[in-house]
Amino acid sequence: GENVEQHPSTLSVQEGDSAVIKCTYSDSASNYFPWYKQELGKGPQLIIDIRSNVGEKKDQRIAVTLNKTAKHFSLHITETQPEDSAVYFCAASINTGNQFYFGTGTSLTVIP
Amino acid sequence: SQTIHQWPATLVQPVGSPLSLECTVEGTSNPNLYWYRQAAGRGLQLLFYSVGIGQISSEVPQNLSASRPQDRQFILSSKKLLLSDSGFYLCAWSRTGDRGYTFGSGTRLTVV
Repeated sequence: GENVEQHPSTLSVQEGDSAVIKCTYSDSASNYFPWYKQELGKGPQLIIDIRSNVGEKKDQRIAVTLNKTAKHFSLHITETQPEDSAVYFCAASINTGNQFYFGTGTSLTVIP
Repeated sequence: SQTIHQWPATLVQPVGSPLSLECTVEGTSNPNLYWYRQAAGRGLQLLFYSVGIGQISSEVPQNLSASRPQDRQFILSSKKLLLSDSGFYLCAWSRTGDRGYTFGSGTRLTVV
């Protein structure tokens, strides 16, 4: 089955700096890659996603890149703000309705 | 629009007592439904998933069971709770063509 690895497990950045979280996957059939943000005590929320026919996608300060050949994808947050502090999960799946395989999470702390 | 309801938000139960957590989805039909658990760390462990009424797949052997008595209702149960059942339980739904999982707000279960 699919195996998703996520790094780093913890990340601290100064407010205004950029943060990058990286994930790799093993199953070349995976074609959908969402990213989730989980604030303390809440359920994860989808923040951005990318499909395998696209190499990069941006939404304001958040961007995701995908390298299908290398089987890795990354989340980029620019101009970080304290409210970006949360745990971020990457995931991979074959199509959107099927089971997701999650990474182990990255705890991001933005220092004011 | 689709919404997912999960309750209760918090629960404190003695060891050996039964458990019933309920999750319902509104605004969609025939969703895939999932139960996840987060222990003290951050990882999302898939417990059960269901692709239809009465169809339950279990990912790990455990003290828990799941049932789907109606199309949009997913129930997580235990006959006798163990201390190790403590954690944050999340229900989620997905459907082919939609964007990823939508998670509920979670239930914090503490077994004492």
